[in-house]
Amino acid sequence: AQTVTQSQPEMSVQEAETVTLSCTYDTSENNYYLFWYKQPPSRQMILVIRQEAYKQQNATENRFSVNFQKAAKSFSLKISDSQLGDTAMYFCAFPFNAGGTSYGKLTFGQGTILTVHP
Amino acid sequence: ETGVTQSPTHLIKTRGQQVTLRCSSQSGHNTVSWYQQALGQGPQFIFQYYREEENGRGNFPPRFSGLQFPNYSSELNVNALELDDSALYLCASAAGTTQVRNEQFFGPGTRLTVL
Repeated sequence: AQTVTQSQPEMSVQEAETVTLSCTYDTSENNYYLFWYKQPPSRQMILVIRQEAYKQQNATENRFSVNFQKAAKSFSLKISDSQLGDTAMYFCAFPFNAGGTSYGKLTFGQGTILTVHP
Repeated sequence: ETGVTQSPTHLIKTRGQQVTLRCSSQSGHNTVSWYQQALGQGPQFIFQYYREEENGRGNFPPRFSGLQFPNYSSELNVNALELDDSALYLCASAAGTTQVRNEQFFGPGTRLTVL
């Protein structure tokens, strides 16, 4: 069974600084995707960034980038130039096959609460 | 393009009652997944519906059931409510089914409180 672990319950950062959130996972699959989702106080879960395991290159979306270490099963999220609007709970997620013909079912980590201070 | 919507926003029930939560998927999406998120935890997968049939289920008892309608909207029904059912229930829709990369679009959730 796939598991996803986020070992940092809470993190804080000053505005404009850089912060890295950690995630490790366990899987026996070789080709898969990993996701980081953001859940602000409004509760709406928003996709931040997606990494394809067969790609060597780390994914980047504007101020957000990942450090994907496939052998170590590590998938960290780096937020550069942190903004007040980045304050949210961040979840690492891994899709798994829970039966049926489709994928897209996600296993989530426990989450990291990120607070950006002015 | 209309996003995923859920109703109601908040709901209070008592133990033993039954509840129905509703989700309208994003336009063009035919797959709907439901998740339960306890306070301070990550969401847990309940089940997924594809073209009106259950298509995968997580570790939840049979009193959690669902439906998907021809317009791809969906309902989550919970019978015999227990205190531990208090949680945020999230609905997520996606287009297509066979690609792992398909992005899930989440609704704002329904906060259920069981007293």
